Amino acid sequence: EPEVTQTPSHQVTQMGQEVILRCVPISNHLYFYWYRQILGQKVEFLVSFYNNEISEKSEIFDDQFSVERPDGSNFTLKIRSTKLEDSAMYFCASTLTGGYTEAFFGQGTRLTVV
Amino acid sequence: AQTVTQSQPEMSVQEAETVTLSCTYDTSESNYYLFWYKQPPSRQMILVIRQEAYKQQNATENRFSVNFQKAAKSFSLKISDSQLGDTAMYFCAFMKPTGNQFYFGTGTSLTVIP
Repeated sequence: EPEVTQTPSHQVTQMGQEVILRCVPISNHLYFYWYRQILGQKVEFLVSFYNNEISEKSEIFDDQFSVERPDGSNFTLKIRSTKLEDSAMYFCASTLTGGYTEAFFGQGTRLTVV
Repeated sequence: AQTVTQSQPEMSVQEAETVTLSCTYDTSESNYYLFWYKQPPSRQMILVIRQEAYKQQNATENRFSVNFQKAAKSFSLKISDSQLGDTAMYFCAFMKPTGNQFYFGTGTSLTVIP
């Protein structure tokens, strides 16, 4: 069964460093998303991406974040200068269409900023 | 703004018994979509069941059913004949009819006891 894969499963980085989280969505899906979950808090929407551009973003998704689909298969989230409060589980998801449709999630990348 | 509340952080149920997970939400939208996602330990989130707000009939998927009370803004999940494989974190989620982002609750950790 097709699935969304994320790498790495756990990343530790020093505060101020750049980090790139990688995701491979399901191959025929057209919409891609990043969510994050700070420990003990809700899963929060960061950004959605369609047709090679951001379609929606939350207020969390500020200038230190960027997304890219560099090669038609990977979907990446870059955090330019990590802060301690960026420590969270980051989930990638993809959907075939937008709106009322089943989203397929990856297992998540646990980012720890020290 | 949309908010989703799951007031039961943890629950347990005996194998073969029935359990109900609670979810309430707040929105000014008249139409919207509701979902329950399940995240087994160290696995991806997967869709359990979904409901369109304009449909009065409660959704059912095998052992999983919902009790959707639109006026009360309540969307509870009932799991019948609980199985060990139902042990997971369960997330209730809301989606507006326009846009693609989920608004998640904090989750309920369900343990099925043999």
